[in-house]
Amino acid sequence: GENVEQHPSTLSVQEGDSAVIKCTYSDSASNYFPWYKQELGKGPQLIIDIRSNVGEKKDQRIAVTLNKTAKHFSLHITETQPEDSAVYFCAAHQAGTALIFGKGTTLSVSS
Amino acid sequence: GAVVSQHPSRVICKSGTSVKIECRSLDFQATTMFWYRQFPKQSLMLMATSNEGSKATYEQGVEKDKFLINHASLTLSTLTVTSAHPEDSSFYICSARGVDVGSWADEQFFGPGTRLTVL
Repeated sequence: GENVEQHPSTLSVQEGDSAVIKCTYSDSASNYFPWYKQELGKGPQLIIDIRSNVGEKKDQRIAVTLNKTAKHFSLHITETQPEDSAVYFCAAHQAGTALIFGKGTTLSVSS
Repeated sequence: GAVVSQHPSRVICKSGTSVKIECRSLDFQATTMFWYRQFPKQSLMLMATSNEGSKATYEQGVEKDKFLINHASLTLSTLTVTSAHPEDSSFYICSARGVDVGSWADEQFFGPGTRLTVL
């Protein structure tokens, strides 16, 4: 089955800096890679996703890149703000199966 | 967008009792629902997948007789934790996938989670 590795487990940045979180996946059949933000006591919220036929996607301060050959994808957050502090999860999925999550990255943005 | 609700949001029960958690898709028909469990400071672990009208498929290591899942309609799935014990205390999150909803055919929409505490 699919296995998703996520790094780093914790990340601390200063407000305004960029943050990068990286994930690798094992199953080459996976074709959908979403990123979720989870705040304490809440369910995960989708922030951006990418499909296997696209190499990069951007939405304002957030971008995701995908390297299918290397089987890794990354989340990039620019101009970080204190409200970006949360736990971020990457996930991988192939058609007809459930999302498999990475272990999460706790992002702390200090002002 | 597609909305998934869970009820209750938090529950405290005594050891040995059973607890039922409901997961509803509010504005779409959920052909498939998933149940995840999340322990503190850990990731979401898939427990089971259920398709409407069919028996749930459980992940390895998840006791199907302890975690009863019913997906009787296209908008409702329930998870019943039977004879709950303190080690079952966790954050339970459901998600749903539907037809003609979302930007991607397999997109999963997550509920807000249910915090279960077993005393």
